[in-house]
Amino acid sequence: GAVVSQHPSRVICKSGTSVKIECRSLDFQATTMFWYRQFPKQSLMLMATSNEGSKATYEQGVEKDKFLINHASLTLSTLTVTSAHPEDSSFYICSAPDSQKLFFGSGTQLSVL
Amino acid sequence: KQEVTQIPAALSVPEGENLVLNCSFTDSAIYNLQWFRQDPGKGLTSLLLIQSSQREQTSGRLNASLDKSSGRSTLYIAASQPGDSATYLCAVYQAGTALIFGKGTTLSVSS
Repeated sequence: GAVVSQHPSRVICKSGTSVKIECRSLDFQATTMFWYRQFPKQSLMLMATSNEGSKATYEQGVEKDKFLINHASLTLSTLTVTSAHPEDSSFYICSAPDSQKLFFGSGTQLSVL
Repeated sequence: KQEVTQIPAALSVPEGENLVLNCSFTDSAIYNLQWFRQDPGKGLTSLLLIQSSQREQTSGRLNASLDKSSGRSTLYIAASQPGDSATYLCAVYQAGTALIFGKGTTLSVSS
């Protein structure tokens, strides 16, 4: 099956710094990628949809200036958490569709001190 | 707006028991439904995918059923093992959207 690679798997940073998370489709092209966030004991919630070559679409309540998404190529989407704060600590995971199936990265556990 | 609900939220069973996890969704216009496994702090492992035209899928000790008209799916785990301990997520896929997830059922199998 298709493979989605996500890096880093874990990051610890100081409050106020920015963190970039990469999501790559390794053996297929993805014009669309989805970014999810999961707080402890909560469901995975869609944050935004990244579209290759155009602006991302953000879900209600997600700050687009804080969570910068770039989808510069058909195989790479990046999520940058700008000026991260402790409340941004969460599990972030990306996914990309291929033939009506979604394939997921392994996720990134972000801890902001 | 699609909503996915999973019951129970948590389940503890002794090794060897058969068990059923439940998932319900409010909008039956789905392409498919997937069951995932999530281990603490880790990504997702796809277990079974059922297309909207299918009634069930089986993989090893796992069997998933789908009743699209009533908006329900079940995941049956036979002869549970401690290694099955994880959170099980149900998610539905609709046209033009990302997956919509339930909150999951956290399963604990004791030896």
